[in-house]
Amino acid sequence: GQQVMQIPQYQHVQEGEDFTTYCNSSTTLSNIQWYKQRPGGHPVFLIQLVKSGEVKKQKRLTFQFGEAKKNSSLHITATQTTDVGTYFCAGRANTDKLIFGTGTRLQVFP
Amino acid sequence: NAGVTQTPKFRVLKTGQSMTLLCAQDMNHEYMYWYRQDPGMGLRLIHYSVGEGTTAKGEVPDGYNVSRLKKQNFLLGLESAAPSQTSVYFCASTPRGLSYNEQFFGPGTRLTVL
Repeated sequence: GQQVMQIPQYQHVQEGEDFTTYCNSSTTLSNIQWYKQRPGGHPVFLIQLVKSGEVKKQKRLTFQFGEAKKNSSLHITATQTTDVGTYFCAGRANTDKLIFGTGTRLQVFP
Repeated sequence: NAGVTQTPKFRVLKTGQSMTLLCAQDMNHEYMYWYRQDPGMGLRLIHYSVGEGTTAKGEVPDGYNVSRLKKQNFLLGLESAAPSQTSVYFCASTPRGLSYNEQFFGPGTRLTVL
Protein backbone atom coordinates (compact mmCIF):
# COMPACT_ATOMS: atom_id res chain seq x y z
CA GLY A 1 0.00 0.00 0.00
CA GLN A 2 0.86 3.64 -0.19
CA GLN A 3 3.50 4.79 2.26
CA VAL A 4 4.67 8.26 3.21
CA MET A 5 7.98 8.65 5.00
CA GLN A 6 9.42 11.73 6.63
CA ILE A 7 12.94 12.59 7.65
CA PRO A 8 14.36 13.43 10.04
CA GLN A 9 12.30 11.96 12.87
CA TYR A 10 13.64 14.55 15.32
CA GLN A 11 15.45 17.84 14.92
CA HIS A 12 16.85 20.04 17.65
CA VAL A 13 17.93 23.54 16.60
CA GLN A 14 19.08 26.72 18.24
CA GLU A 15 16.66 29.60 17.89
CA GLY A 16 17.47 31.48 14.70
CA GLU A 17 18.73 28.42 12.82
CA ASP A 18 16.93 27.05 9.79
CA PHE A 19 15.00 23.78 9.71
CA THR A 20 13.91 21.47 6.91
CA THR A 21 11.78 18.34 6.90
CA TYR A 22 11.42 16.05 3.90
CA CYS A 23 8.50 13.90 2.85
CA ASN A 24 8.66 11.01 0.39
CA SER A 25 5.79 8.96 -1.00
CA SER A 26 5.95 5.49 -2.51
CA THR A 27 3.34 6.53 -5.08
CA THR A 28 2.56 9.63 -7.13
CA LEU A 29 0.32 12.01 -5.23
CA SER A 30 -2.65 14.09 -6.33
CA ASN A 31 -1.87 16.64 -3.68
CA ILE A 32 -0.01 16.98 -0.43
CA GLN A 33 -0.96 18.74 2.75
CA TRP A 34 1.13 19.86 5.72
CA TYR A 35 -0.02 19.95 9.34
CA LYS A 36 1.52 21.17 12.58
CA GLN A 37 0.81 19.59 15.93
CA ARG A 38 1.89 21.38 19.08
CA PRO A 39 2.83 19.21 22.08
CA GLY A 40 -0.37 17.86 23.63
CA GLY A 41 -2.47 19.34 20.84
CA HIS A 42 -4.16 18.24 17.66
CA PRO A 43 -2.96 18.57 14.05
CA VAL A 44 -3.67 21.93 12.47
CA PHE A 45 -3.70 22.44 8.72
CA LEU A 46 -0.92 24.62 7.31
CA ILE A 47 -1.13 24.36 3.53
CA GLN A 48 -1.95 22.25 0.50
CA LEU A 49 0.17 21.82 -2.64
CA VAL A 50 -1.36 20.50 -5.85
CA LYS A 51 0.82 21.31 -8.87
CA SER A 52 4.09 19.68 -9.85
CA GLY A 53 7.01 21.84 -8.73
CA GLU A 54 4.74 24.16 -6.75
CA VAL A 55 6.33 26.42 -4.13
CA LYS A 56 4.30 28.30 -1.53
CA LYS A 57 5.42 30.60 1.26
CA GLN A 58 3.84 31.54 4.56
CA LYS A 59 6.03 34.11 6.26
CA ARG A 60 9.11 32.12 7.37
CA LEU A 61 7.75 28.80 6.06
CA THR A 62 8.43 27.59 2.51
CA PHE A 63 6.67 24.53 1.12
CA GLN A 64 7.69 22.71 -2.01
CA PHE A 65 6.10 19.92 -4.07
CA GLY A 66 8.45 17.84 -6.19
CA GLU A 67 8.34 17.72 -9.96
CA ALA A 68 7.36 14.05 -9.92
CA LYS A 69 4.73 14.73 -7.21
CA LYS A 70 6.25 12.06 -4.97
CA ASN A 71 8.10 14.26 -2.52
CA SER A 72 7.73 17.49 -0.65
CA SER A 73 9.61 19.65 1.81
CA LEU A 74 8.95 22.23 4.48
CA HIS A 75 11.66 24.76 5.27
CA ILE A 76 11.53 27.17 8.21
CA THR A 77 13.88 30.15 8.13
CA ALA A 78 15.21 31.54 11.39
CA THR A 79 13.27 29.29 13.75
CA GLN A 80 11.52 30.69 16.80
CA THR A 81 10.39 28.94 19.97
CA THR A 82 6.83 29.17 18.69
CA ASP A 83 7.78 26.78 15.88
CA VAL A 84 8.12 23.90 18.34
CA GLY A 85 5.93 20.92 17.47
CA THR A 86 5.59 17.99 15.13
CA TYR A 87 5.19 18.63 11.42
CA PHE A 88 3.30 16.09 9.34
CA CYS A 89 2.92 15.80 5.62
CA ALA A 90 -0.13 13.98 4.30
CA GLY A 91 -0.51 12.76 0.76
CA ARG A 92 -3.52 11.79 -1.27
CA ALA A 93 -3.28 9.42 -4.25
CA ASN A 94 -6.59 9.25 -6.12
CA THR A 95 -8.60 8.11 -3.11
CA ASP A 96 -10.67 9.70 -0.40
CA LYS A 97 -7.96 8.93 2.11
CA LEU A 98 -5.00 10.97 3.26
CA ILE A 99 -1.90 9.02 4.20
CA PHE A 100 0.03 10.80 6.90
CA GLY A 101 3.78 10.76 7.14
CA THR A 102 5.55 9.69 10.30
CA GLY A 103 6.19 13.30 11.30
CA THR A 104 9.24 15.36 12.25
CA ARG A 105 9.42 16.64 15.79
CA LEU A 106 11.09 20.03 16.04
CA GLN A 107 12.59 21.33 19.25
CA VAL A 108 13.92 24.89 19.36
CA PHE A 109 16.30 25.97 22.10
CA PRO A 110 16.34 29.68 23.02
CA ASN B 1 -18.96 27.30 16.28
CA ALA B 2 -17.40 24.61 18.44
CA GLY B 3 -15.79 22.96 15.39
CA VAL B 4 -14.98 19.30 16.04
CA THR B 5 -15.49 17.99 19.56
CA GLN B 6 -14.64 14.59 21.01
CA THR B 7 -15.99 12.79 24.06
CA PRO B 8 -14.43 11.66 26.36
CA LYS B 9 -11.02 13.33 26.60
CA PHE B 10 -9.46 10.51 28.61
CA ARG B 11 -10.44 6.94 29.35
CA VAL B 12 -8.89 3.90 31.00
CA LEU B 13 -10.29 0.48 30.12
CA LYS B 14 -9.54 -3.04 31.17
CA THR B 15 -8.85 -5.66 28.53
CA GLY B 16 -12.12 -6.98 27.14
CA GLN B 17 -14.23 -3.95 28.04
CA SER B 18 -16.12 -2.03 25.42
CA MET B 19 -16.59 1.66 24.84
CA THR B 20 -17.75 4.21 22.30
CA LEU B 21 -15.94 7.40 21.36
CA LEU B 22 -18.14 10.22 20.13
CA CYS B 23 -17.14 12.80 17.54
CA ALA B 24 -19.39 15.74 16.75
CA GLN B 25 -18.98 18.58 14.27
CA ASP B 26 -21.12 21.64 13.76
CA MET B 27 -19.70 22.73 10.40
CA ASN B 28 -22.11 20.69 8.26
CA HIS B 29 -19.18 18.70 6.85
CA GLU B 30 -19.87 15.68 4.68
CA TYR B 31 -16.74 13.66 5.37
CA MET B 32 -15.59 12.45 8.77
CA TYR B 33 -12.57 10.36 9.81
CA TRP B 34 -11.21 8.48 12.78
CA TYR B 35 -7.42 8.24 13.24
CA ARG B 36 -5.18 6.77 15.87
CA GLN B 37 -1.82 8.28 16.72
CA ASP B 38 1.00 6.23 18.18
CA PRO B 39 4.55 7.43 18.92
CA GLY B 40 6.73 7.43 15.81
CA MET B 41 3.91 6.26 13.53
CA GLY B 42 2.06 9.41 12.61
CA LEU B 43 -1.69 9.25 12.17
CA ARG B 44 -3.27 6.10 10.81
CA LEU B 45 -6.78 6.05 9.41
CA ILE B 46 -9.15 3.62 11.13
CA HIS B 47 -12.48 4.24 9.40
CA TYR B 48 -14.08 7.09 7.56
CA SER B 49 -17.45 8.22 6.28
CA VAL B 50 -18.34 10.12 3.13
CA GLY B 51 -21.84 10.94 4.30
CA GLU B 52 -24.68 10.13 6.65
CA GLY B 53 -25.34 6.40 6.76
CA THR B 54 -22.08 5.43 5.01
CA THR B 55 -18.80 4.12 6.40
CA ALA B 56 -15.62 2.67 4.93
CA LYS B 57 -12.46 0.99 6.21
CA GLY B 58 -9.16 2.77 6.48
CA GLU B 59 -5.64 1.45 7.03
CA VAL B 60 -6.17 -0.16 10.46
CA PRO B 61 -9.87 -1.06 10.90
CA ASP B 62 -9.54 -4.34 12.80
CA GLY B 63 -11.03 -4.27 16.31
CA TYR B 64 -13.09 -1.14 15.63
CA ASN B 65 -16.57 -0.41 14.36
CA VAL B 66 -18.15 2.90 13.39
CA SER B 67 -21.53 4.41 12.72
CA ARG B 68 -22.73 7.64 11.12
CA LEU B 69 -26.43 7.79 11.86
CA LYS B 70 -26.47 11.57 11.85
CA LYS B 71 -24.43 13.83 9.61
CA GLN B 72 -22.89 15.69 12.53
CA ASN B 73 -21.85 12.63 14.56
CA PHE B 74 -19.35 9.86 13.94
CA LEU B 75 -19.04 7.13 16.56
CA LEU B 76 -16.06 4.82 17.03
CA GLY B 77 -16.67 1.61 18.96
CA LEU B 78 -14.31 -0.83 20.57
CA GLU B 79 -16.19 -4.07 21.27
CA SER B 80 -13.45 -5.85 23.22
CA ALA B 81 -10.55 -3.55 24.06
CA ALA B 82 -6.98 -4.82 23.85
CA PRO B 83 -3.73 -3.24 25.15
CA SER B 84 -2.67 -2.72 21.50
CA GLN B 85 -5.51 -0.22 21.22
CA THR B 86 -3.86 2.10 23.74
CA SER B 87 -3.45 5.26 21.71
CA VAL B 88 -4.60 8.81 21.12
CA TYR B 89 -7.67 8.90 18.89
CA PHE B 90 -8.43 11.88 16.69
CA CYS B 91 -11.56 12.61 14.76
CA ALA B 92 -11.48 14.91 11.75
CA SER B 93 -13.91 16.30 9.20
CA THR B 94 -13.85 18.00 5.81
CA PRO B 95 -16.57 19.74 3.80
CA ARG B 96 -16.32 17.19 1.01
CA GLY B 97 -13.55 14.91 -0.20
CA LEU B 98 -9.89 15.52 0.30
CA SER B 99 -9.21 16.94 -3.13
CA TYR B 100 -8.99 20.55 -2.09
CA ASN B 101 -10.02 20.58 1.53
CA GLU B 102 -8.15 20.70 4.78
CA GLN B 103 -9.04 18.38 7.61
CA PHE B 104 -10.35 19.89 10.83
CA PHE B 105 -9.30 17.84 13.83
CA GLY B 106 -10.88 17.39 17.22
CA PRO B 107 -8.84 17.70 20.44
CA GLY B 108 -8.32 13.93 20.74
CA THR B 109 -9.20 11.15 23.17
CA ARG B 110 -6.40 9.50 25.11
CA LEU B 111 -7.27 5.85 25.69
CA THR B 112 -5.34 3.44 27.88
CA VAL B 113 -6.18 -0.26 27.89
CA LEU B 114 -4.76 -2.20 30.82
